[in-house]
Amino acid sequence: QSVLTQPPSASGTPGQRVTISCVGRSSNIGNNHVYWYQHLPGAAPKVLIYRENHRPSGVPDRFSGSKSGTAASLAISGLRSEDEADYYCAVWDNSLSAWVFGGGTKLTVL
Amino acid sequence: DVQLVESGGGLVQPGGSLRLSCAASGFTFSTSDFHWVRQPIGKGLEWVSSIGTSGDTYYAGSVKGRFTISRENAKNSFYLQMDSLTDGDTAVYYCSRGGDIGLDYWGQGTLVTVSS
Repeated sequence: QSVLTQPPSASGTPGQRVTISCVGRSSNIGNNHVYWYQHLPGAAPKVLIYRENHRPSGVPDRFSGSKSGTAASLAISGLRSEDEADYYCAVWDNSLSAWVFGGGTKLTVL
Repeated sequence: DVQLVESGGGLVQPGGSLRLSCAASGFTFSTSDFHWVRQPIGKGLEWVSSIGTSGDTYYAGSVKGRFTISRENAKNSFYLQMDSLTDGDTAVYYCSRGGDIGLDYWGQGTLVTVSS
């Protein structure tokens, strides 16, 4: 069981907006920066969002992140078939002195 | 171009040891932090260990006392020594660089299988 809780699955049709939540606690999300990673089958994971709401160069602005208290969210607007992947949140945990990943959310584009 | 290339994966018996290597190129190795992240087959990503520029190390609770991360700046490489392996350690292991934007570069992954 992960320290960070994500829904195991999410889905949407092309063009829709979907959000993926990541619930933690004060020792992690509440006091540290949140990162989101996209993991496509057969590929290495890729950072999508850093420090809650910043996009690395090359990541479309369809992807956005937010944080409130001990929870964070990833939003994907204008859903496209190529967005079908696993998405993970990650954050440093002060109590564990370790990085933690959420359990991952499998996004299906219907 | 930035590249991270893992090696050393394979089949090992329970209780055995394995050493993973990650060779880096295309950036200044000595000023970067590095991580190992694994993915058991059919499961999610799990952070394993990291090493900072000054050699400070951190471990997931599940591997603490069994795994050792190290780096060799002169060879632009870092390593993961894995001892007392169990079937729970079976996974694809990725090496990654820690940057300002998170884990910004990753290797292609190497499979470690612990089985008798």
